[in-house]
Amino acid sequence: AQSVTQPDIHITVSEGASLELRCNYSYGATPYLFWYVQSPGQGLQLLLKYFSGDTLVQGIKGFEAEFKRSQSSFNLRKPSVHWSDAAEYFCVLDTGRRALTFGSGTRLQVQP
Amino acid sequence: GAGVSQSPSNKVTEKGKDVELRCDPISGHTALYWYRQSLGQGLEFLIYFQGNSAPDKSGLPSDRFSAERTGGSVSTLTIQRTQQEDSAVYLCASSLTQRGGSTDTQYFGPGTRLTVL
Repeated sequence: AQSVTQPDIHITVSEGASLELRCNYSYGATPYLFWYVQSPGQGLQLLLKYFSGDTLVQGIKGFEAEFKRSQSSFNLRKPSVHWSDAAEYFCVLDTGRRALTFGSGTRLQVQP
Repeated sequence: GAGVSQSPSNKVTEKGKDVELRCDPISGHTALYWYRQSLGQGLEFLIYFQGNSAPDKSGLPSDRFSAERTGGSVSTLTIQRTQQEDSAVYLCASSLTQRGGSTDTQYFGPGTRLTVL
C-alpha cells in the first residue's frame, strides 16, 4: 500500500532563513505529488503539484519542490521564510485511485 | 462560487445526536470528496462522488456515517448517533474531474469543526 512520511513533526526557523521540509513516499508506480499548507483555522491550500516532466516544480508564495525518484522524495524548499509562512505543511500522494494519501504534517514555526 | 464552501464552520453537539455537514463544491467540479482530520489520525478519506456514478464509500468508518450529493453539486455528510470519537474537522474537496489513471487537483474547503460532548 502507498504511504507518505514526513519525518519532521515540528520545525522552527528564523525569519529570512532558508527552509526545507522533507517528504518521502512509497508507491510502486509514478506518483502524483502535492504540497498543501494549512494555516490555523483555515482549509488546505495547494502550494504546488508534480504530475510528470521536470523534477523541479515551482509553486505559490515562493515555494518549490524537487522530485527525486531514486530517493522517493519530494522535499519542499523556500530560500527565505516569512513570518506568514508559519503553518502546517502536508505532503500528499495521489495514486489516481481517487483518495489522497496524506503525510502526518510538519508544523513550521517562524522566529522573528 | 470562487472556492469550496462548508457549513457550519463549527458544530457542537451532544453524544447521541445526529448532525449534518454541508459542502458546496466549486461550480463545474464533478468530483467531490470528504475527509476527516483528527488528532492522532491525521487526514483520512471518507467518501468520494463522481458525477452520477455510485459513490466510493470505502473510507466511511461506520454505518453511522452517510453522505449524499444532490443534483451533482451540494453534498451533505450525516453522522447519526454521534460519539465523542467523531470529534474532528471534516473537510470537503472538489476537483474538476477524476479520470481513470490520471487525476485532477483537489481544492479544499475551510472545514467544519465538530465537537461531540
